[in-house]
Amino acid sequence: DQQVKQNSPSLSVQEGRISILNCDYTNSMFDYFLWYKKYPAEGPTFLISISSIKDKNEDGRFTVFLNKSAKHLSLHIVPSQPGDSAVYFCAASDRSARQLTFGSGTQLTVLP
Amino acid sequence: DVKVTQSSRYLVKRTGEKVFLECVQDMDHENMFWYRQDPGLGLRLIYFSYDVKMKEKGDIPEGYSVSREKKERFSLILESASTNQTSMYLCASSFGGVRGYTFGSGTRLTVV
Repeated sequence: DQQVKQNSPSLSVQEGRISILNCDYTNSMFDYFLWYKKYPAEGPTFLISISSIKDKNEDGRFTVFLNKSAKHLSLHIVPSQPGDSAVYFCAASDRSARQLTFGSGTQLTVLP
Repeated sequence: DVKVTQSSRYLVKRTGEKVFLECVQDMDHENMFWYRQDPGLGLRLIYFSYDVKMKEKGDIPEGYSVSREKKERFSLILESASTNQTSMYLCASSFGGVRGYTFGSGTRLTVV
């Protein structure tokens, strides 16, 4: 049973528009959340994270929002660029912070 | 920059062969992990290690074993490869907690 779910396997947006990637989790013990980006033939790279004591974290064009009551987080990319085309993984950990549980990923395609 | 190196980018092995996937990190990280990535399933944890000569099972350890004789090296072993082990295998390391995961580029294993 997947504890971290990304229900959209793919998303296409026009260059310059906003990309919104969604992630849901079921484990109430999760308190730290991360987004990773993966290009083909490369390993995932860390993008942005958020602790459960916050509801928003921003880094340049990337913002992550956390809704703890809904067990939902989202990644906003504004403005989207063709170089953002990649698979995005949502990940979560509990307070032990020993390991990450990943979602199934969303393939983002930004069209020029 | 932390570097995690996986010895092979592509491997083709026969059913029943014993397969070794090697991973080396160069930043004295305590923690090392092996994941496999499959379409629609995301990254699933196979085994992890928090210290030399220690190992713990992840979510899908069946059919796999690991070895960590030195801090910098973490090997994944497929005792008798099967076609359902055809996958992308990703190694990661971290100093502590989940904030500093660094992934290797992955090994695409095909079992025929």
